[in-house]
Amino acid sequence: DTGVSQNPRHKITKRGQNVTFRCDPISEHNRLYWYRQTLGQGPEFLTYFQNEAQLEKSRLLSDRFSAERPKGSFSTLEIQRTEQGDSAMYLCASSTGQRRFYGYTFGSGTRLTVV
Amino acid sequence: QKEVEQNSGPLSVPEGAIASLNCTYSDRGSQSFFWYRQYSGKSPELIMFIYSNGDKEDGRFTAQLNKASQYVSLLIRDSQPSDSATYLCAVNIVKPGSARQLTFGSGTQLTVLP
Repeated sequence: DTGVSQNPRHKITKRGQNVTFRCDPISEHNRLYWYRQTLGQGPEFLTYFQNEAQLEKSRLLSDRFSAERPKGSFSTLEIQRTEQGDSAMYLCASSTGQRRFYGYTFGSGTRLTVV
Repeated sequence: QKEVEQNSGPLSVPEGAIASLNCTYSDRGSQSFFWYRQYSGKSPELIMFIYSNGDKEDGRFTAQLNKASQYVSLLIRDSQPSDSATYLCAVNIVKPGSARQLTFGSGTQLTVLP
């Protein structure tokens, strides 16, 4: 597998339920990012990992959101007590740690619908 | 003022024409600039990046950067219907404690008419 893999592709949940998404980055990429994208908007940064360390979190990431990257491999994003405003596409991206930055590779995303 | 601004469009051009997409950014410390293409319902796909002032060409795509004017553009020559998508401008805005985080514009929707 040479790409960024995200699961599930789609998730429909009832308001108040917890959901968890998984991202498997490109194997040689040590940097992993989570973004959220709503209709008609560009992706918005949520959080960033370098290896297993979560180095940055956006103010968009409320206390209902938590992300982990155990052992610096795959990552999970959990949303507790989902709200309708959480409905969005959740995108995972990865990049290398090379000095020159060549941008991200995005996964196919997880589309969350909260009903 | 948004950190990265794009005309939301929609922009329509006839097949074979040149499509011109524009982006401005607010942070003069920005170092690298990217264009992503996003088809409806799909995730963004990197098509071009540029670091230095001037033009960078890759096939039918040309990225142009003017750091003094804080302006980056994407030209698509010989536009094809398959180019119809939303084009996202992304900027590596350097912030204290932040590494290689991209800030995206809201995208410009391009339609190429057959």
